[in-house]
Amino acid sequence: DVKVTQSSRYLVKRTGEKVFLECVQDMDHENMFWYRQDPGLGLRLIYFSYDVKMKEKGDIPEGYSVSREKKERFSLILESASTNQTSMYLCASSSGGALGEETQYFGPGTRLLVL
Amino acid sequence: AQTVTQSQPEMSVQEAETVTLSCTYDTSESDYYLFWYKQPPSRQMILVIRQEAYKQQNATENRFSVNFQKAAKSFSLKISDSQLGDAAMYFCAPNSGGSNYKLTFGKGTLLTVNP
Repeated sequence: DVKVTQSSRYLVKRTGEKVFLECVQDMDHENMFWYRQDPGLGLRLIYFSYDVKMKEKGDIPEGYSVSREKKERFSLILESASTNQTSMYLCASSSGGALGEETQYFGPGTRLLVL
Repeated sequence: AQTVTQSQPEMSVQEAETVTLSCTYDTSESDYYLFWYKQPPSRQMILVIRQEAYKQQNATENRFSVNFQKAAKSFSLKISDSQLGDAAMYFCAPNSGGSNYKLTFGKGTLLTVNP
C-alpha cells in the first residue's frame, strides 16, 4: 500500500515563527503536493513538485515556500507564521504518468494552530 | 482558474438507500479526467472513482457510479445501497486537462448516513 506520512498531526506555533511541515511518501512517486483545507473552502493547492528540486506554485502560494531535496520528501515552510495560516495541511503524492489519470494519495493531515 | 461547484454542502441518506451528489465544473479543455475523493472522519482522503472525459461510458466501481454529462459539464456521484461507512466528506476534482495532474477541488459535500 502507498503510504504518505506527515511529521505531525497537531502543531501549535506562535505568530512570526518559522514552521516546517514534513511529508514523506514510500512509493517512489514523482509528484508531490501541498494543500490547505479550510471549512467551506475545500482543498486549495499551495505548491506542487514534479521532480526533485522542481516546484511550481499552486493557487495560494503566498506566505509559503517548499523544498524537495529528495524524491520521497516534500517540505512546506511557513517563513513567518501568521494567524491566517491556521488550517489543516494535507500532503499528497502521485506517480508521474503522462495520462493525467493518476490517483493522488493523501497523508493524514497536519492541523496547525498559529497563536 | 478552473471553478468547481458542489451545490449541496450537506446531504443525508438512509442506510441501504441511494443518494446522488452533484458537481459542475468549468473547463475549456476537451480531454481531461474527473475524480471523486472521499474524506472519512479520520481525515485520510481516498479516491472513490475516476472518469475520463473522452469516454462516453460512465465509470462504475461497485456501489459507486457517476453520471457524466460532458456538454453540461456535470459529474455527479451516485452511491447505491448506502452503508454507514460511506459517511464522509466527498470532493469532486477535475484535472486541468489532458495529462495535467493538477486537480481543482470543489468545496465538498458532507454525507451523513442514517441507520
